[in-house]
Amino acid sequence: DTAVSQTPKYLVTQMGNDKSIKCEQNLGHDTMYWYKQDSKKFLKIMFSYNNKELIINETVPNRFSPKSPDKAHLNLHINSLELGDSAVYFCASSQNTGGTHTDTQYFGPGTRLTVL
Amino acid sequence: GQNIDQPTEMTATEGAIVQINCTYQTSGFNGLFWYQQHAGEAPTFLSYNVLDGLEEKGRFSSFLSRSKGYSYLLLKELQMKDSASYLCAVLDSNYQLIWGAGTKLIIKP
Repeated sequence: DTAVSQTPKYLVTQMGNDKSIKCEQNLGHDTMYWYKQDSKKFLKIMFSYNNKELIINETVPNRFSPKSPDKAHLNLHINSLELGDSAVYFCASSQNTGGTHTDTQYFGPGTRLTVL
Repeated sequence: GQNIDQPTEMTATEGAIVQINCTYQTSGFNGLFWYQQHAGEAPTFLSYNVLDGLEEKGRFSSFLSRSKGYSYLLLKELQMKDSASYLCAVLDSNYQLIWGAGTKLIIKP
């Protein structure tokens, strides 16, 4: 009964390749997120998305693009991978953004991406 | 700019009490979250404060003072399994979650 799931858990690839990470939530939440956590363990928001709005962190390179086929899925596609993209990527979801307890975010297990 | 400060690392003894502080400066405030993250795992929700005061939940308590832009997470009767990073995050006026860098808590026997 995994609430937020991601695949793959580990991804090792060469520089210049294109890869995707999938995320699914079965919580019925309205909003989904992608985070990048680097070697210094700082959690950095990349995107937040609900059926109304995509909010992009302006520091995220346009090689990164979120794709949402439906409310329960938010996949992350990365073009032309670079060494600096190596990190752990977390997907998360929350019920809404009403400034209440329902803004609690539930995280997937993470995808450890290594670019060689 | 928006800023959340918490100590980088703390050490405590099994069975003791530890307080992890968090100060914030954000554009608006719609609540403060504490998350726990064990090494190699995802962050998990611990607490949410939006009103001033102390919220107690078992061995963990979280305190908020909005006027001071300050919160703390209090862990009692420390166990070895409490060794983890503790992340403070604030929901700003746009309902965006602003994250601190986390406090790595090391528990010694």
